[in-house]
Amino acid sequence: AQSVAQPEDQVNVAEGNPLTVKCTYSVSGNPYLFWYVQYPNRGLQFLLKYITGDNLVKGSYGFEAEFNKSQTSFHLKKPSALVSDSALYFCAVREPGSYGQNFVFGPGTRLSVLP
Amino acid sequence: SQTIHQWPATLVQPVGSPLSLECTVEGTSNPNLYWYRQAAGRGLQLLFYSVGIGQISSEVPQNLSASRPQDRQFILSSKKLLLSDSGFYLCAWSDPGGTTNYGYTFGSGTRLTVV
Repeated sequence: AQSVAQPEDQVNVAEGNPLTVKCTYSVSGNPYLFWYVQYPNRGLQFLLKYITGDNLVKGSYGFEAEFNKSQTSFHLKKPSALVSDSALYFCAVREPGSYGQNFVFGPGTRLSVLP
Repeated sequence: SQTIHQWPATLVQPVGSPLSLECTVEGTSNPNLYWYRQAAGRGLQLLFYSVGIGQISSEVPQNLSASRPQDRQFILSSKKLLLSDSGFYLCAWSDPGGTTNYGYTFGSGTRLTVV
């Protein structure tokens, strides 16, 4: 069964500093990987995805993530954090060829960017 | 383009009262539909999913039920609300063929407070 771990409940970073939100996964075969962001009292918004190809994927709002197959990781990064990046971030995995409910979310990491 | 609508945005209901939350999707056919609950601004709990009209799968036994009377309509209901039903409810859809974004698209959520 596929699973996703986000080892940090909370990440604090100063504005202007680089940020990393960690995600590791377990899945059979090559995974589809996603990052979503959630602002207070809002639905989840899609940030970026890895399906195939280049291991470094770029997404919305200057975020990027690197797929590392050997470490089974898909960490979210941004070179320079903004206060407005403060939100709840979810990593998710889907097995290729799986449909329906086979989409697993991590527990979420709360990012706080301090001014 | 595809859009998802979820309403109401907020709801305050007394214990023992009924509940009906509605979600509709536009711009796609035969979507997979999902209801999630999020407690205390953290992890997502999958409540129900549906792969077609009248087809509902329940992930967690509880005081809630779901129905899909039309292809792009998904309803979350309860006959008698409990205090523990309070939370943030999210509807989502995905393309069963796995070719539209490959991931989930979420509605804006409903904040339910049972008093």
